Amino acid sequence: DTAVSQTPKYLVTQMGNDKSIKCEQNLGHDTMYWYKQDSKKFLKIMFSYNNKELIINETVPNRFSPKSPDKAHLNLHINSLELGDSAVYFCASSQGQDSGYGYTFGSGTRLTVV
Amino acid sequence: GNSVTQMEGPVTLSEEAFLTINCTYTATGYPSLFWYVQYPGEGLQLLLKATKADDKGSNKGFEATYRKETTSFHLEKGSVQVSDSAVYFCALPTGRRALTFGSGTRLQVQP
Repeated sequence: DTAVSQTPKYLVTQMGNDKSIKCEQNLGHDTMYWYKQDSKKFLKIMFSYNNKELIINETVPNRFSPKSPDKAHLNLHINSLELGDSAVYFCASSQGQDSGYGYTFGSGTRLTVV
Repeated sequence: GNSVTQMEGPVTLSEEAFLTINCTYTATGYPSLFWYVQYPGEGLQLLLKATKADDKGSNKGFEATYRKETTSFHLEKGSVQVSDSAVYFCALPTGRRALTFGSGTRLQVQP
């Protein structure tokens, strides 16, 4: 059983399109996150949700909108895609809001905007 | 805010060599410290953690000791294998209940 699963694994799309990435966790965790990893492997937090409530909303363009229909799912919708959005996007989850427990990561979605 | 600094890579070693990847931190209080590993094409996996000062985290032959005197959490392994080739990230919680990661250190182990 996959603990944190993301779909799709690869996404190639043209500039200006709108796309969504889905994430689901079956660990019973309360908190979920989206991270962006650039080509130099640098990881940056984008959003986090705790029990469907937005907790962290970093300085990302308004074109990025997270949505958490329940505590097991956290989706990321991106409007008007730009070349600079190309990256690997990771979903993660943790128990509670205390990130001292550490995270469980999904395998990532490699987004390529052409 | 809390932050970590890792040594730049890549680190290239021969099989069975000793590994050290340096990590230093800046933090308020004594938060938990983590090492994550990312194998090619995969997500990050928790490698080990330490929850308080002087704790030693260990897993798969890797070790790291939480040293408050030197604000360090260096990753070590006595004898690396080719299968250890990956990117290693040091991390700690920020005040906003998310993990902040170092820039990553790529390890390449040659047979």
